[in-house]
Amino acid sequence: NAGVTQTPKFRVLKTGQSMTLLCAQDMNHEYMYWYRQDPGMGLRLIHYSVGEGTTAKGEVPDGYNVSRLKKQNFLLGLESAAPSQTSVYFCASSFPAVGNEQYFGPGTRLTVT
Amino acid sequence: GEDVEQSLFLSVREGDSSVINCTYTDSSSTYLYWYKQEPGAGLQLLTYIFSNMDMKQDQRLTVLLNKKDKHLSLRIADTQTGDSAIYFCAESMGAGTALIFGKGTTLSVSS
Repeated sequence: NAGVTQTPKFRVLKTGQSMTLLCAQDMNHEYMYWYRQDPGMGLRLIHYSVGEGTTAKGEVPDGYNVSRLKKQNFLLGLESAAPSQTSVYFCASSFPAVGNEQYFGPGTRLTVT
Repeated sequence: GEDVEQSLFLSVREGDSSVINCTYTDSSSTYLYWYKQEPGAGLQLLTYIFSNMDMKQDQRLTVLLNKKDKHLSLRIADTQTGDSAIYFCAESMGAGTALIFGKGTTLSVSS
């Protein structure tokens, strides 16, 4: 099992450009999440999905969109990147089970200039 | 509102015990977690505890929960240099809910 994988690992964008971050999991997890990690801020939830075809907003959703067309994939899109979106992005997945253990991917480091 | 607080830094010598502390504000938290993040890596789940438990032990790790004071701690026995990392405390309200993270405690282990 690869667990949770993320592509790309690194990316540099110019202000106004768009991109999509891909998260894939092979654990058949129902729930998937996108977090961002900023220095001194811990991790904050951007969007999440409780199943294929469903998405919901988290704590900091502005400037991002998501899609969950397949159970194993969760895409995070930036339509018009801004310097404030410079961050490390983590995807996670979990079963809707006792313990709510979330498993994280290795992260995508995004810089917006 | 929800808030999880941790001290930012802890420095210990190899072989000593480390104790990382965390406080949380939401009394309806169902699960409390400890994650480890090594430089440049993702988050690794170390352990978690149900809110109706007081203690959980897993090899060198001991988690203590004081629900009355909303205080969680992680004790690492016989700390090794490989334990140097950032440790995050997190809470959740139940299955399928988001994790609320603290800002992380950087543990530095010197030999």
